Amino acid sequence: GQNIDQPTEMTATEGAIVQINCTYQTSGFNGLFWYQQHAGEAPTFLSYNVLDGLEEKGRFSSFLSRSKGYSYLLLKELQMKDSASYLCAVTEGSAGKSTFGDGTTLTVKP
Amino acid sequence: DVKVTQSSRYLVKRTGEKVFLECVQDMDHENMFWYRQDPGLGLRLIYFSYDVKMKEKGDIPEGYSVSREKKERFSLILESASTNQTSMYLCASSSRGRVETQYFGPGTRLLVL
Repeated sequence: GQNIDQPTEMTATEGAIVQINCTYQTSGFNGLFWYQQHAGEAPTFLSYNVLDGLEEKGRFSSFLSRSKGYSYLLLKELQMKDSASYLCAVTEGSAGKSTFGDGTTLTVKP
Repeated sequence: DVKVTQSSRYLVKRTGEKVFLECVQDMDHENMFWYRQDPGLGLRLIYFSYDVKMKEKGDIPEGYSVSREKKERFSLILESASTNQTSMYLCASSSRGRVETQYFGPGTRLLVL
């Protein structure tokens, strides 16, 4: 099985940078996903890491260290619309079964 | 665009009723998943399927069953609904491949009275 930990809540200011950490303990590992979920909506894909290092996509970047069981999501130039829950998920097995962390609720303040 | 649809956005049922939640995806994905999401407990996997007629238990399968008779459709069944099954139910699908992004349906908010 998998155990995934991420902070419950974070607050940041519009225009700032925020880093959301995720640590995991795994019996299997295909890759690590980050999803964004706005209140009352379904999660949507943000990023995917399978190899160590940084993946950059616009204002969002995600980092993975497999040896440390650690990932982070970096959000730059924060906007009010970035207020959401951010879910870390680790996939394993041939069916891509995912185990999700409980999510980090990010509040962006003016 | 991948589209995952769920039969209902909101559902109210009584204790003991049999409940069917339907999920359909239009991208020919092999893998399909059912989760429930509760405050403070995150997304928990109930069942998943990697092919037609194949199913695997997730982390919390008790009280649920599933059916996958066609590739595009994955049904979640509550044989006898109970109040502790009040939750948001999310269906997802993914393709078999290097990047197994899951695409989620809009969710069904189920209230069991």
